[in-house]
Amino acid sequence: DADVTQTPRNRITKTGKRIMLECSQTKGHDRMYWYRQDPGLGLQLIYYSFDVKDINKGEISDGYSVSRQAQAKFSLSLESAIPNQTALYFCATSDFSGVQQFFGPGTRLTVL
Amino acid sequence: DAKTTQPPSMDCAEGRAANLPCNHSTISGNEYVYWYRQIHSQGPQYIIHGLKNNETNEMASLIITEDRKSSTLILPHATLRDTAVYYCIVRVAFYSGAGSYQLTFGKGTKLSVIP
Repeated sequence: DADVTQTPRNRITKTGKRIMLECSQTKGHDRMYWYRQDPGLGLQLIYYSFDVKDINKGEISDGYSVSRQAQAKFSLSLESAIPNQTALYFCATSDFSGVQQFFGPGTRLTVL
Repeated sequence: DAKTTQPPSMDCAEGRAANLPCNHSTISGNEYVYWYRQIHSQGPQYIIHGLKNNETNEMASLIITEDRKSSTLILPHATLRDTAVYYCIVRVAFYSGAGSYQLTFGKGTKLSVIP
């Protein structure tokens, strides 16, 4: 079984809809991250969490919110989706050192 | 974090060594060099990291110049499965304030391994 899983893997939605992307990990890591990737570009950090009670904004947090329900679960929400949020979204985890991040398979989100 | 410069693309013959360069001329003394790769639309995969000494693991070798302003990732015997975008990232290894855990991915180098 994969260490980091993301659901759904693909989602098509309409402008204005609320969307939640979920991430679960079995690595026992405290650190979790959400990134987005636009076609042909690198990844940009949206939010990261050091533990259940510690959540921090990344470089592009506007229009997104997150919830760390448990050590193993970190959800990303788009409160009112817009077309320029169409992208590939990745969840990642790391241990305390943060040296190595382990990425999930990604969620491809399309906002029409 | 320091910026990195990588060639946009490279080709390598299958079975040969792939040498991927990276320039990071503004790297700070407490910043490490990390390499990740991303196989088409999959999640990025950690390869290796180092501070100033050369490093080797089961996937690759990392050669860092003495002045630390550039580095080379070496895949000793490239296979078709090594075709991917390779990202060179410099970052502090341990938490030192807000954002220090961020991996700043540029556009990377698209490596194509040719049969």
